[in-house]
Amino acid sequence: SYDVTQPLSVSVALGQTARITCGGNNIGSKNVHWYQQKAGQAPVLVIYRDNNRPSGIPERFSGSNSGNTATLTISRAQAGDEADYYCQVWDSNTVVFGGGTKLTVL
Amino acid sequence: EEQLLESGGGLVQPGGSLTLSCAASGFTFTSYAMIWVRQAPGKGLEWVSTLSGSLSGSGGSTYYADSVKGRFTISGDNSKNTLYLEMNSLRAEDTAVYYCARDYDSSGYNWFDPWGQGTLVTVSS
Repeated sequence: SYDVTQPLSVSVALGQTARITCGGNNIGSKNVHWYQQKAGQAPVLVIYRDNNRPSGIPERFSGSNSGNTATLTISRAQAGDEADYYCQVWDSNTVVFGGGTKLTVL
Repeated sequence: EEQLLESGGGLVQPGGSLTLSCAASGFTFTSYAMIWVRQAPGKGLEWVSTLSGSLSGSGGSTYYADSVKGRFTISGDNSKNTLYLEMNSLRAEDTAVYYCARDYDSSGYNWFDPWGQGTLVTVSS
């Protein structure tokens, strides 16, 4: 089975740039999608197919994917960005989620 | 507006059964793959099952996580625009909020949006 690894937590100062990674064997060959989940709420798609933003998602959210690491970048971090973030890929008829990263905005 | 609304969660004893429903509105149910994802208390997201859409090459195919294979069954009722998850032989470790979500297309190979609000299943004596 395919595994993806995320850091448990990332901290960022208000207004600075946060980077959340998603590691996996040759993950650059897969499409990676990212979800934001705020406390007590359902997940929300923030990036699809590596670097595409759904309508309504701020331009501050961007993504990249190469080699063994995909990255979600949140520029000019705001207090409202505090949430858990999950990466997701598809592999062999299974949907694979990373373990999730808790983003804290200081 | 495209929406998903889960129902059917509750308290069930170990070994018991429960069926969850996910009512879809604002889109044609058969055109998309649908999934169930669960989240145990304080834990991350765990994929449970996929039902591919009828328009995909493997239309109506079902896929399951190893943790639920043989115990859970995913199905859909096109006339009611509703997705189901029949859960049997429930265990304490099945306790979680269960979400349904829609794939970008009928394949099940993509990203998922929208998601329902979730329904809580508690397995306890």
